[in-house]
Amino acid sequence: EDKVVQSPLSLVVHEGDTVTLNCSYEVTNFRSLLWYKQEKKAPTFLFMLTSSGIEKKSGRLSSILDKKELFSILNITATQTGDSAVYLCAVFTSGTYKYIFGTGTRLKVLA
Amino acid sequence: DGGITQSPKYLFRKEGQNVTLSCEQNLNHDAMYWYRQDPGQGLRLIYYSQIVNDFQKGDIAEGYSVSREKKESFPLTVTSAQKNPTAFYLCASKPSPVDTQYFGPGTRLTVL
Repeated sequence: EDKVVQSPLSLVVHEGDTVTLNCSYEVTNFRSLLWYKQEKKAPTFLFMLTSSGIEKKSGRLSSILDKKELFSILNITATQTGDSAVYLCAVFTSGTYKYIFGTGTRLKVLA
Repeated sequence: DGGITQSPKYLFRKEGQNVTLSCEQNLNHDAMYWYRQDPGQGLRLIYYSQIVNDFQKGDIAEGYSVSREKKESFPLTVTSAQKNPTAFYLCASKPSPVDTQYFGPGTRLTVL
């Protein structure tokens, strides 16, 4: 059975800290891995990764994929209270063309 | 304004009633998806559609039904057969051939 596992489930840090969120997967027909941020309602897209070892960056956020070890990490440096959210990882599969989501990591950044 | 709209934002229904959640997109995306999210959980796939007049069951399709008569619209009906329908429902769409999926604002359904 295809599955995506995120860790930790929740995390509390102080502003300025750096955090690393993990996403591991066991999926047949992997095509891409996506990260989303969900604050209260709809998830918003952060990154899509398809190739191993190539870091995607956007401001203080970055992500990388390891297709050999089947995981991805999302790094957030110099965290701010606005980074408080649930971060979702999803794998898109070819063949069935559907997304498999992890349960998310709830990040709380304290001022 | 391009985007995905879901209505209503909040919906209250009595137990035993069917209810239909609306999802419309004007992004010209081919694929559309319905997810259910329960507190503290990730997204679980209910139904999805790659093209008009075709759709597939997701992981938790029991008690739900969909139609895809137009490219822009993918309504979800929550039937009385769904045992625990109170949840947050998200609709999403995806353009071809890109893998990025975009979400609507969601509908929070409460069954009393």
